[in-house]
Amino acid sequence: QVQLQQSGPGLVKPSQTLSLTCDISGDSVSSSSAAWNWFRLSPSRGLEWLGRTRYRSKWYNDYAVSVKGRISINPDTPKNKFSLQLNSVTPEDMAVYYCARDQSGYSFDYWGQGTLVTVSS
Amino acid sequence: QSVLTQPPSASGTPGQRVTISCSGSRYNIGSQAVNWFQRLPGSAPKLLIYQSNQRPSGVPDRFSGSKSGTSASLAISGLQSEDEADYYCAAWDDSLNAWVFGGGTKLTVL
Repeated sequence: QVQLQQSGPGLVKPSQTLSLTCDISGDSVSSSSAAWNWFRLSPSRGLEWLGRTRYRSKWYNDYAVSVKGRISINPDTPKNKFSLQLNSVTPEDMAVYYCARDQSGYSFDYWGQGTLVTVSS
Repeated sequence: QSVLTQPPSASGTPGQRVTISCSGSRYNIGSQAVNWFQRLPGSAPKLLIYQSNQRPSGVPDRFSGSKSGTSASLAISGLQSEDEADYYCAAWDDSLNAWVFGGGTKLTVL
């Protein structure tokens, strides 16, 4: 059974960096049939895909246009986890953030528990 | 503004059949599979339908998905009170090189 456990601060100051981690159990971040994704959910933007990392003989990342230039998603193979960093946050980045696995052919089948991130000084 | 278009709300009475639509373009729904997610209050999204019409194990057969051209639909038959939730459609967009979602449909069971 795959489980994704999120961790990270729920409060970030404006202009600073949002950092979240997603620990994986029951699968490998290096799986050649999975992609590891970050999403956010907010009243104003709905459910929004932020980006992914995946291993296909080498590492590939894809990011949403809305956050490109501010986002970085990185795998940590020894610890079997992946992380999200979002720079220069503003109140518009306030949302519940989720990590999720995209298993090839099966879509986003496992999700983290969600982390409410507030942007405030 | 979401790339995929869903009605903001839908409703039905217990036992009824409800359909939620999702409209896109040739770059997403027109060329890619559609997925549907259910989000209960306070919970993470749950995969309901993948590959446009496939149910993961554990999802009741009351839920079904279909796709035609650049539109897709989620049907819920035998509506139950526990179906009251937000529903989202999603597809890969070849033009944006990104996953895109609908704005979500809030289903109310009257």
